[in-house]
Amino acid sequence: DGGITQSPKYLFRKEGQNVTLSCEQNLNHDAMYWYRQDPGQGLRLIYYSQIVNDFQKGDIAEGYSVSREKKESFPLTVTSAQKNPTAFYLCASRTFQGWNSPLHFGNGTRLTVT
Amino acid sequence: DQQVKQNSPSLSVQEGRISILNCDYTNSMFDYFLWYKKYPAEGPTFLISISSIKDKNEDGRFTVFLNKSAKHLSLHIVPSQPGDSAVYFCAASDHYGGSQGNLIFGKGTKLSVKP
Repeated sequence: DGGITQSPKYLFRKEGQNVTLSCEQNLNHDAMYWYRQDPGQGLRLIYYSQIVNDFQKGDIAEGYSVSREKKESFPLTVTSAQKNPTAFYLCASRTFQGWNSPLHFGNGTRLTVT
Repeated sequence: DQQVKQNSPSLSVQEGRISILNCDYTNSMFDYFLWYKKYPAEGPTFLISISSIKDKNEDGRFTVFLNKSAKHLSLHIVPSQPGDSAVYFCAASDHYGGSQGNLIFGKGTKLSVKP
């Protein structure tokens, strides 16, 4: 079955450590996205990539970094510079066959930093 | 400032009745609107969408209505079922404007359908 896999589902880190969240898709989608969800908040865009080897900052990119070396993979690194890293992180992808295509989401990674 | 607003954080409905979830937006350039459903600890799942050239789109029990002059859209669920209990997010994008086709989400409305 095609889909988006995020791993791990739960992640715990000490403050000051960088951590990388994995996102893999086998939908052959061109574009991939990282969102963050906090309680009572909508989904806020961190980074996105429309093609391999290219990515753009979203609304809240500070303290995060990404890479897009392969079409299927879009890992997100939460650096020690991110002031409030504890959140639920969602990866998504979509095709670019016409602009009106919905995002497909993975099941998320809950990151807790103490 | 929020471009997509869901002013009701929660909604409670009796099973079998209609659920109406509302969403307002401020950017008149938005041309594509979507609704997502989300269960706790899971990713959102796409429910239904509508482009700005239409005012209604229907898919089974779900209907989305778009009122461009009022910058308002709504999701109707008829009849509501307990399995519909989830958080519903409204999202919008403008393909030729500042968001570059990226989706902008509201804060969500938590729907509870009581048996």
